[in-house]
Amino acid sequence: EAGVVQSPRYKIIEKKQPVAFWCNPISGHNTLYWYRQNLGQGPELLIRYENEEAVDDSQLPKDRFSAERLKGVDSTLKIQPAELGDSAVYLCASSLAQGGNTEAFFGQGTRLTVV
Amino acid sequence: AQSVTQLGSHVSVSEGALVLLRCNYSSSVPPYLFWYVQYPNQGLQLLLKYTSAATLVKGINGFEAEFKKSETSFHLTKPSAHMSDAAEYFCAVSDKGRNKLIFGAGTRLAVHP
Repeated sequence: EAGVVQSPRYKIIEKKQPVAFWCNPISGHNTLYWYRQNLGQGPELLIRYENEEAVDDSQLPKDRFSAERLKGVDSTLKIQPAELGDSAVYLCASSLAQGGNTEAFFGQGTRLTVV
Repeated sequence: AQSVTQLGSHVSVSEGALVLLRCNYSSSVPPYLFWYVQYPNQGLQLLLKYTSAATLVKGINGFEAEFKKSETSFHLTKPSAHMSDAAEYFCAVSDKGRNKLIFGAGTRLAVHP
């Protein structure tokens, strides 16, 4: 079974440019997460979807970040315009059920460098 | 608000020695607790989880963790370190009824010969 797939793996852009990340979760997983991991820190939740609905986006900087999950499957995360401080690894994860005790499966992440 | 504290950002052990990685959580009620491992340039992989069944939880690769409510701790141990255990380890907490993982800052484990 394929795991969580993210692309691209690496992205280097100049500040003020837009960038987008794509995530394909594990088939059948209704919950999808986007996390940001700064260097030397643990992942921080940006947004969580239950099917198509964003149920927790309190940590998403909405002035420049946007996300969508059309048809409750794939998801994209966009930053426009990017700032130097956005350099980080962006992780996508998915899980099967609600309740808090189910395992989240993570993709390999997209390492973003803003120069 | 929930939080997770991992004591020691770097831990170094000799091959064959005991591994002990510390994790303390703050939560008004016993939460679900997880340990994840991250190898270089990889995503996070679940090692083990506590979901209010047995307080001693066994995971993959010989790791185990013990939930101690009185100490609000969930420390990760392995009796004998192997070179392949070198990685970053993250403790995480989740509220019952919510799918929101809150991670600690991580502990980087180095294993030397």
